[in-house]
Amino acid sequence: KAGVTQTPRYLIKTRGQQVTLSCSPISGHRSVSWYQQTPGQGLQFLFEYFSETQRNKGNFPGRFSGRQFSNSRSEMNVSTLELGDSALYLCASSQTGDGLQETQYFGPGTRLLVL
Amino acid sequence: AQKITQTQPGMFVQEKEAVTLDCTYDTSDQSYGLFWYKQPSSGEMIFLIYQGSYDEQNATEGRYSLNFQKARKSANLVISASQLGDSAMYFCAMRDNPGRHGSSNTGKLIFGQGTTLQVKP
Repeated sequence: KAGVTQTPRYLIKTRGQQVTLSCSPISGHRSVSWYQQTPGQGLQFLFEYFSETQRNKGNFPGRFSGRQFSNSRSEMNVSTLELGDSALYLCASSQTGDGLQETQYFGPGTRLLVL
Repeated sequence: AQKITQTQPGMFVQEKEAVTLDCTYDTSDQSYGLFWYKQPSSGEMIFLIYQGSYDEQNATEGRYSLNFQKARKSANLVISASQLGDSAMYFCAMRDNPGRHGSSNTGKLIFGQGTTLQVKP
């Protein structure tokens, strides 16, 4: 099976712009989670989608949003970019998202630099 | 609140030797899962091993094993026969009961700050 894919791999934006990141989960996986990774804050959970619905959300401002399509592909959007949004954004997929021992498989990430 | 602590920011190990990476966790739940991931400089998180809170035996997966001490709330990763390719950042993560307290906790892993491992030739 193909792994989780994320596009683009690298992005450079300026403050105030918006950005959309894409994630394609492993075939058959219906849950997609997004994480932000920064040197200062580490890995932080953004949100999780299942069957086109956001089921769980982390503690991030409303500028961070996402959606999921019927084929389980997911996008996340960050509007009005700030310098502090520079990070590695990781997407992870799992079969249902609610199994205690269910493993999340991660994509290669999108490195976003905000200037 | 759930928390993962990795107290070793950086570790060195000689090639072919074993190394232990520490992880302690804090949760009030009885049901939870613990995961270890490896993150090379490329950025992708690679799943290594899983330990469930009710598992009676320590998990093993090839050269990776977990030293799980439930009473101490620790789940240390042991890498045997280190290889140069093991040089990476290692994260311990926890998943607690997705349906706890009636709220959705789906799809969320809580990560520690990570330990950078360097394998010396």
